[in-house]
Amino acid sequence: EPEVTQTPSHQVTQMGQEVILRCVPISNHLYFYWYRQILGQKVEFLVSFYNNEISEKSEIFDDQFSVERPDGSNFTLKIRSTKLEDSAMYFCASSVSGPNQPQHFGDGTRLSIL
Amino acid sequence: GENVEQHPSTLSVQEGDSAVIKCTYSDSASNYFPWYKQELGKGPQLIIDIRSNVGEKKDQRIAVTLNKTAKHFSLHITETQPEDSAVYFCAASTYGNEKLTFGTGTRLTIIP
Repeated sequence: EPEVTQTPSHQVTQMGQEVILRCVPISNHLYFYWYRQILGQKVEFLVSFYNNEISEKSEIFDDQFSVERPDGSNFTLKIRSTKLEDSAMYFCASSVSGPNQPQHFGDGTRLSIL
Repeated sequence: GENVEQHPSTLSVQEGDSAVIKCTYSDSASNYFPWYKQELGKGPQLIIDIRSNVGEKKDQRIAVTLNKTAKHFSLHITETQPEDSAVYFCAASTYGNEKLTFGTGTRLTIIP
């Protein structure tokens, strides 16, 4: 069964550094998402992406964050200047089509900011 | 915005018994309600979903019910097995929106 893959599984970064989290969505999916889960808390929506542009974003997704689909298979989340509070699990998800459709998640990247 | 409440936060069930997890939502415009299972070290796995035009949906041992009037939906797992042990999340999205709003999760433990 096709799946969403994320790399790396664990990323350790110094505060203030830039980090890029990578995702390969399911190949025939058109909508892509990033969510995060701070340890012990609920999964929170960050951003959705369709047709090479952001279609929806949350208040968490401020100017420090950006997303990109650099080629036909990858989808990335960049945090420009990391803060301690960015430490979390980051999940990528994808869906065949848009709103109110099943979203399939990867296994996440654990981001640790020192 | 949408708010999803989930309870209980932990649930222990004897193997073979049924488990029920309940969620309430705040936005009456919500129309899509998926349930996810998350095992240790893994991402959320979609196990079943329901739309607002349906009151109940079943897939083998798993069923979901939706009460639009009361704005709550529930996950029912029958004949529980040890491999059902995991954290379960409910979620909701409003019409036309891509964002999923998640509940706080239920840690289900099946006692052999």
